[in-house]
Order: sequence, then structure tokens, then C-alpha cells
Amino acid sequence: SQQGEEDPQALSIQEGENATMNCSYKTSINNLQWYRQNSGRGLVHLILIRSNEREKHSGRLRVTLDTSKKSSSLLITASRAADTASYFCAAANPWRGAQKLVFGQGTRLTINP
Amino acid sequence: DAGVIQSPRHEVTEMGQEVTLRCKPISGHDYLFWYRQTMMRGLELLIYFNNNVPIDDSGMPEDRFSAKMPNASFSTLKIQPSEPRDSAVYFCASRKAGTNTGELFFGEGSRLTVL
Repeated sequence: SQQGEEDPQALSIQEGENATMNCSYKTSINNLQWYRQNSGRGLVHLILIRSNEREKHSGRLRVTLDTSKKSSSLLITASRAADTASYFCAAANPWRGAQKLVFGQGTRLTINP
Repeated sequence: DAGVIQSPRHEVTEMGQEVTLRCKPISGHDYLFWYRQTMMRGLELLIYFNNNVPIDDSGMPEDRFSAKMPNASFSTLKIQPSEPRDSAVYFCASRKAGTNTGELFFGEGSRLTVL
């Protein structure tokens, strides 16, 4: 079964507002990653948080990780129209000395001008 | 530097035909992954290779699907015979071993439509 279930499935906000997306996963992880996908394009890596980290920032992005609850959140501050995309979390499961990335269904974010 | 290159970008075929999707990973990357994306099932990992060797093909849906990586710069995903339920976007991704990030680099995908 898929890990990295995102919530909500769709989110529509006004430009300038903050957007928060949540992700839950099921098994132990090495790290958790967030990706963005623009319509008709491939996924682009945004940020990675390791299992021993609780919070990480990158520009307007803030990611938190709660391993006790097996959950993560992605916050995009001061949203822009260009942030309109689908956002996926991906749980990196340790497997045979490497890691497998298992993606959730994604959150479709729409920023209204 | 060139990213992951996939071809074709779009493929429309009839049920029963053979389909071959191609991928050129980023030079120097050790891992190559094939994913399938559909509205119903999201992104599914089909198979991945490490140094050209298939490591885990447990996501390959059935025997009609096969993947090869004859060298470090080329991989194919083949569906024979194709069925309408195979319609999806197929992504190839690669990454380098021994990095701190584990970040995957994705191609733009191959959109397959089986009529």
C-alpha cells in the first residue's frame, strides 16, 4: 500500500496566504522528501528532512517531521501564483542497504491571484 | 548539465501492440527508477536498478512488463502486449549513490495511451 498519504487532496488559497499540506506514513524511514509537480511535467525535489530532524527551512518552505506520529507537514509562506502545482511527500524506506521512495497521492495546490 | 531524458513524450497505440519507453539517466548516477503515475493509483514504483542491475522489480504489475538497463546511460521499459489499463504517465528517475540527500531527479515522463 502507498505510504505518504497527503492531506488535503486539494487546496485553494489567495496569493499571499500561507499553504499547509500534511503527510502521514506507515513504516520507519531514513528521511522524508517533498516534491512539486507542475501540470504535465516531471517531479522536482523541494526539500528533504532526515528522521533525526524535527524542522527544516528552505526559502519560503518549512517542513516539520514528527516520527512519533509518523507525520510531516509542508508550509509554503507568502504564496505566489507560480506555486500552483501538485505537491507530493515521499517516504524513504531503508531497504537492502539503499532506500526506496514511496510517494503519496499528492495535494493539488491552487493559488488564486 | 542535461537532466533525465525520456522518449517518447507521448505514445498512442492500440491494444496488443508492443510499447517501448526509453530513458537516459543523468551521467554519473548509480540508481535508476521507473515509476508509473495514474489518477487512481498515484505514483507507483515499478522497478529500480543499481549499477545497471535490477534490485527490486516487485512493483512490475505482470509479466507483460519488462525493463532492462544494458549500460549506465540507457534503460528501457517494455510492455508487450499493451492493454488499455496500461494507459498512464511513465517516469524515469535517477540519483547518485553516496550522497547525503537521496534526491531523485525525474524526467518529463512518457504519456502512454492504449486504445
